[in-house]
Amino acid sequence: QQQVKQSPQSLIVQKGGISIINCAYENTAFDYFPWYQQFPGKGPALLIAIRPDVSEKKEGRFTISFNKSAKQFSLHIMDSQPGDSATYFCAARSRGSSNTGKLIFGQGTTLQVKP
Amino acid sequence: DVKVTQSSRYLVKRTGEKVFLECVQDMDHENMFWYRQDPGLGLRLIYFSYDVKMKEKGDIPEGYSVSREKKERFSLILESASTNQTSMYLCASNRNTGELFFGEGSRLTVL
Repeated sequence: QQQVKQSPQSLIVQKGGISIINCAYENTAFDYFPWYQQFPGKGPALLIAIRPDVSEKKEGRFTISFNKSAKQFSLHIMDSQPGDSATYFCAARSRGSSNTGKLIFGQGTTLQVKP
Repeated sequence: DVKVTQSSRYLVKRTGEKVFLECVQDMDHENMFWYRQDPGLGLRLIYFSYDVKMKEKGDIPEGYSVSREKKERFSLILESASTNQTSMYLCASNRNTGELFFGEGSRLTVL
């Protein structure tokens, strides 16, 4: 019973373009929304995260946009680079899990940035 | 730096074998997790532990068990491996915050 739906499953972008990955959730008790980045042969690592009291968070070329009423959030990668080629996972944490940090992950998006 | 170490990167086992996947973290984290990663399904939580000898089922615990005898070590056990357990297994840990620190994964093939 997947509670976070991520799309697209795969994405190909030209160098310098904008990569956009979308996630939607149903549980209104989620209180923390991180994105993880995974390179081949490595474990996922935290990239950027947002809480539902803000609509946008930016860190360098990476921006999370959050729409609380639509229960959607998205990752935008500006000026995409070949080094950004990786698998990206959105995730959500329920308020009831705030003491453990247990996360529910989306299905993942494999991003390829072509030179 | 936080380090989560999974002892075996690649394993090949036969159907019916008992399989142990070991995970060790060096940052004194309270919580440890086992996830399974499959294409198109993302990361699915198998079990997690919030203290020594304490454990809770995740979303897909069937066919798995876990053991946490020491704070730094969390083991995933497949009592009788089956082909549908062929997957990438990821261990993670954290200190009561949202950020999980992952190991590099153990790729298990069951023949």
